Amino acid sequence: YDLTQPPSVSVSPGQTATITCSGDKLGDKYASWYQQKAGQSPVLLIYQDTKRPSGIPERFSGSNSGNTATLTISGTQTVDEADFYCQAWDSGTVIFGGGTKLTVL
Amino acid sequence: EVQLVESGGGLVKPGGSLRLSCTASGFNFNTFTFHWVRQAPGRGLEWVSSINPSSTYIYFADSMRGRFTVSRDNAKNSLYLQMSSLTAEDTALYFCAREGDFLLDYWGQGTLVTVSS
Repeated sequence: YDLTQPPSVSVSPGQTATITCSGDKLGDKYASWYQQKAGQSPVLLIYQDTKRPSGIPERFSGSNSGNTATLTISGTQTVDEADFYCQAWDSGTVIFGGGTKLTVL
Repeated sequence: EVQLVESGGGLVKPGGSLRLSCTASGFNFNTFTFHWVRQAPGRGLEWVSSINPSSTYIYFADSMRGRFTVSRDNAKNSLYLQMSSLTAEDTALYFCAREGDFLLDYWGQGTLVTVSS
């Protein structure tokens, strides 16, 4: 099972960034999103498609339908610059997307 | 405070073996499933393995099955990854992560494995 993400996304500060994750019938599975800043461990950003862990800013939101899960960052800030990974479960194993590098400039 | 601390990484020759450890604190270790995830330099996240609380369900990525084994000691709050027949392609930062309800909610800082002659 494969999850496909765009390698890179660029956005201007204050604008909305959208990162997609595509997989066969992904909408039938739960999708999670992780943010990894340079030199740091991944941090859970969105789980069960749309939920945010405590401490994650409201500007991060998620959706999942059909074959595509989407991470949306509203009012993107320079501190949001990082790599983002989608993740799903398939037959007891964990699948990660290839990652998307978000550049805020 | 939930903490996961990996250790055991280092430099190993091709064909060699290495055992990684992940020690947990701040929560009830023996009720959670754990995962190993690795990240080669400059590359993305790659799932390695998972083990449930009673060690009855163990899964591996296809490329690691047969070379890696995973185990845990609930009395020591510890998770292990035994790696053998290592190649340069196994060079990576290895993370342990705790599984929640369809999520990986806590990650360690990782331990670096370098396979080189």
